[in-house]
Amino acid sequence: EAQVTQNPRYLITVTGKKLTVTCSQNMNHEYMSWYRQDPGLGLRQIYYSMNVEVTDKGDVPEGYKVSRKEKRNFPLILESPSPNQTSLYFCASRGFSLNTEAFFGQGTRLTVV
Amino acid sequence: AQSVTQLGSHVSVSEGALVLLRCNYSSSVPPYLFWYVQYPNQGLQLLLKYTSAATLVKGINGFEAEFKKSETSFHLTKPSAHMSDAAEYFCAVRNYGGSQGNLIFGKGTKLSVKP
Repeated sequence: EAQVTQNPRYLITVTGKKLTVTCSQNMNHEYMSWYRQDPGLGLRQIYYSMNVEVTDKGDVPEGYKVSRKEKRNFPLILESPSPNQTSLYFCASRGFSLNTEAFFGQGTRLTVV
Repeated sequence: AQSVTQLGSHVSVSEGALVLLRCNYSSSVPPYLFWYVQYPNQGLQLLLKYTSAATLVKGINGFEAEFKKSETSFHLTKPSAHMSDAAEYFCAVRNYGGSQGNLIFGKGTKLSVKP
């Protein structure tokens, strides 16, 4: 089954404690990205990757890092989380063509206290 | 630059009634447009997409949307609402500039269905 898998689904952490949210896709997609979803703001892109070792900033990259060492994996790293990063996070992947849809993971609900 | 506006953050309909969720886009080039649905505690699932073929696009679960260039609209409709349609719906446009074709989302419309 084609899918994007994120872990964990829920995470509560304390300010400043480094964390990683993993994302893996099994569709051999080139393009992967991270979004955060906040009430009233919709989804905003954090980082994206066009392929292995190629990453770039989206619209709201501050406080986040990513890496793309393998085609299937695209982890999101918060080196020093702060309460304003409390949000619902989604990983997505799609093929290279612009007319293809993005496939989304189930989401990670992060709370930073 | 592309952008999307969804009119109405909340829409409530009765079961069996017409569902109409509004989406207007801004794009200087022919757009690729998408509707996604998000059920509680789940990720986004594609309902349908417009990629410059037929202007009336049929999707899953009985939903359809019509691309109207003159009105820069891509409204989502369903003739008869079902309780299971209660969810949040997002319209999105493909961004040709900037982030290599990322999706730009509207703020979402939460659909409630009354029995």
